Amino acid sequence: RKEVEQDPGPFNVPEGATVAFNCTYSNSASQSFFWYRQDCRKEPKLLMSVYSSGNEDGRFTAQLNRASQYISLLIRDSKLSDSATYLCVVIPGTGGFKTIFGAGTRLFVKA
Amino acid sequence: DAGVIQSPRHEVTEMGQEVTLRCKPISGHNSLFWYRQTMMRGLELLIYFNNNVPIDDSGMPEDRFSAKMPNASFSTLKIQPSEPRDSAVYFCASSRRTGMNTEAFFGQGTRLTVV
Repeated sequence: RKEVEQDPGPFNVPEGATVAFNCTYSNSASQSFFWYRQDCRKEPKLLMSVYSSGNEDGRFTAQLNRASQYISLLIRDSKLSDSATYLCVVIPGTGGFKTIFGAGTRLFVKA
Repeated sequence: DAGVIQSPRHEVTEMGQEVTLRCKPISGHNSLFWYRQTMMRGLELLIYFNNNVPIDDSGMPEDRFSAKMPNASFSTLKIQPSEPRDSAVYFCASSRRTGMNTEAFFGQGTRLTVV
């Protein structure tokens, strides 16, 4: 089993739609979680951290479910500019700061 | 700060040749990561360093791959000999160790094509 797994998609949604991605992780002792965004032919960049209590940044909401070992990202009122690949990231917490990326979920927002 | 700097941006080489990828992390960052990204396998962690010391190289695919970090401002990833299946985008990233919520900053990547 991979350490971090995501549905690769693609998700094709119209502008204004709400879309949600899930990501599961295998190491129950994992300490830190993030969502990164990667545009086509660009490097990944941090979108937001995921806190135990859940957190929101504008149209984006991230949540953590430790019992089921998954994190989620919710995007409300999708914009064309949200089209990208969203990468789930986990720091297992053992072995230093090993940072594991999921394979990513591709999102296409259509006009 | 200029960010993480990788060179070259593009590399085309023939099978069997040695390839060296270079990375300059952000000044003050003490963790450095090498990733490989392909359509089939996504972003794979190859190796990472803390304070210039390799901590985990379990992601290095074969002995043909080696990485060094001689000082805090420079790292190399070498493939010798290269093979067509090594074709991918190689990213270097760095972060500052200040607790568990550490953001990794990526370079623009090196697009490697082995023919």
